[in-house]
Order: sequence, then C-alpha cells, then structure tokens
Amino acid sequence: SQTIHQWPATLVQPVGSPLSLECTVEGTSNPNLYWYRQAAGRGLQLLFYSVGIGQISSEVPQNLSASRPQDRQFILSSKKLLLSDSGFYLCAYRQGKSYEQYFGPGTRLTVT
Amino acid sequence: AQTVTQSQPEMSVQEAETVTLSCTYDTSESDYYLFWYKQPPSRQMILVIRQEAYKQQNATENRFSVNFQKAAKSFSLKISDSQLGDAAMYFCAYGGGATNKLIFGTGTLLAVQP
Repeated sequence: SQTIHQWPATLVQPVGSPLSLECTVEGTSNPNLYWYRQAAGRGLQLLFYSVGIGQISSEVPQNLSASRPQDRQFILSSKKLLLSDSGFYLCAYRQGKSYEQYFGPGTRLTVT
Repeated sequence: AQTVTQSQPEMSVQEAETVTLSCTYDTSESDYYLFWYKQPPSRQMILVIRQEAYKQQNATENRFSVNFQKAAKSFSLKISDSQLGDAAMYFCAYGGGATNKLIFGTGTLLAVQP
C-alpha cells in the first residue's frame, strides 16, 4: 500500500533563514506530487505540482521553490523566509488517471 | 474555469443526529470527479468519499453519503448518526478534464455537540 511522509512535523525558523521541507511517497511509482499551504482556519492554496522528475509547475509566484530530484521525493525550499511564509504545509500525491489526491501529515512552519 | 463553492462556513449538529453539508460547482466538462475531504484538528486531510460524474448512483461510505445532482451541479455530503469524531473542517473538491489539479472549496467547519 502507498504511504506518504513529510518532515519535519514542526519547524520554527527566524526570518531570513533558509527552508527545506521534504515529502516522500512509498509504494507507488511516477506519482503526481503537490505542495499546498494552509493558513490557520483557511482553505488550501496550491503552491507547486510535479508530474515527473525535474518537472515543476508553479501556481503562485513567491518566495518559495520546489524540486523533484527523485521519482518519489518532492522538496519545498526557500533561500530566505518571510513572516508571511508561516503556515501549515501539506504534500499530496495522485496516482494514475484517478483524480483523488492523498495527503501527508503536514508540516507546521512558524517564522519568527 | 472550474469553481467550487461551499456556502456554509460553519455548521453544528447534535451527536447521533444527521447533518448535510452543501457544495456547488461549475464546470463545462462532462466527465469529472467530486470529493469530500475531512480535516480534523490534527490537520491531516482525509479522503471521505468520491463520486464519478458518469455514475448516477450516489456514493456511500458507511455513515457518509452524497446527494449528487449533476444538472444542478450540486454535491452535498450527508453524515448520519453523527459522532464526536466527525468534528472537523470538510472540504469539497473537483477534479476533471486535462488539469492535474483539484479545485477545493473554502471548507465547512462542523461542530458536533454531545
């Protein structure tokens, strides 16, 4: 069966510091991968998605970037964090032709 | 462009009662999928139920069922025999066509009163 992991679970970083969040999927190959951000009590904002290794689509121009160095690994990065980058970050995957996405446990990021 | 609308920001239900969450969508596609996701206080998104547009039969998963009205572009979620563990944010989502993305509604926060 497929599983999706995210780490770290929580992170507190100062403004201006770099960021690296990692997402990995097990039990599947060539999934579509997604990064979402969610502010407290708000909806989901799609940040990036990837349909294959090295293929990244950006939905919202901002301080973040994404990379997919391996088939089942998706990384969200920033060179310099802003206060507005605080939030809950969710990674998700989609397999094959079905449209449903399955989500990881999320990372709670606080920028101080 | 496809849109998903959840017009109820918050709902409340008594334990053991039934509650219905509303969702409407707009699309020009004929073949698509609709989903309800649950986000409990842990904030992990959990897929509750899915509906394929070409199927006339409403999907059911245990105490969760949908009322899918394709012509009206309505997709409501009914939770029967509500339990305290059903308290969560519920998101309606659309997927279809050539897009690789899901379109989410803004969510409905469901409280379950003991």
